[in-house]
Amino acid sequence: DSGVTQTPKHLITATGQRVTLRCSPRSGDLSVYWYQQSLDQGLQFLIQYYNGEERAKGNILERFSAQQFPDLHSELNLSSLELGDSALYFCASSVAIGSGNTIYFGEGSWLTVV
Amino acid sequence: GIQVEQSPPDLILQEGANSTLRCNFSDSVNNLQWFHQNPWGQLINLFYIPSGTKQNGRLSATTVATERYSLLYISSSQTTDSGVYFCAVEGGSGGSYIPTFGRGTSLIVHP
Repeated sequence: DSGVTQTPKHLITATGQRVTLRCSPRSGDLSVYWYQQSLDQGLQFLIQYYNGEERAKGNILERFSAQQFPDLHSELNLSSLELGDSALYFCASSVAIGSGNTIYFGEGSWLTVV
Repeated sequence: GIQVEQSPPDLILQEGANSTLRCNFSDSVNNLQWFHQNPWGQLINLFYIPSGTKQNGRLSATTVATERYSLLYISSSQTTDSGVYFCAVEGGSGGSYIPTFGRGTSLIVHP
């Protein structure tokens, strides 16, 4: 158990819908990362938050948004869902940012868009 | 950004065999981790190893930062070693602290 908790574990939804994925980082970790893993694209970085503020953005679609709350949990919102959004979405956390930093992943949220 | 290449892409072994997985990266790194993704999709930390050598049971890893590569050794492989092994690095000339992943090595260990 990495200490990073993600919910829900599995989600099936229809095209055009909106879903929210939730992540609780390890106790004491200030940094949260979101990754998308699909068969053809591998593990793609979406967005990073540190202590409530957005720090870096990757290949995140405009239909997707995220935030980190004062209690440090994070949510990833996916809207106007398309079939191609079906993927495994990971949250990861780390104590800080910088050298010596180890990141830990949650078990992921499997999203299927039908 | 920094590029990460892993080889081989696929590996099939008999139980008990040894293997070496390689991770090449295109620039200097600040952090490097190896992960194992098991058949249930979980990403499990194996090593944090930006330089030097570490060992944990049947697994060991070596990173030669000056030559921009890292190796993961699996000895006496077991069926539970099956899955995908990823290398993730942070660094590059821009000083990125976002882990960039390689495409992974898919390992199947047959009994």
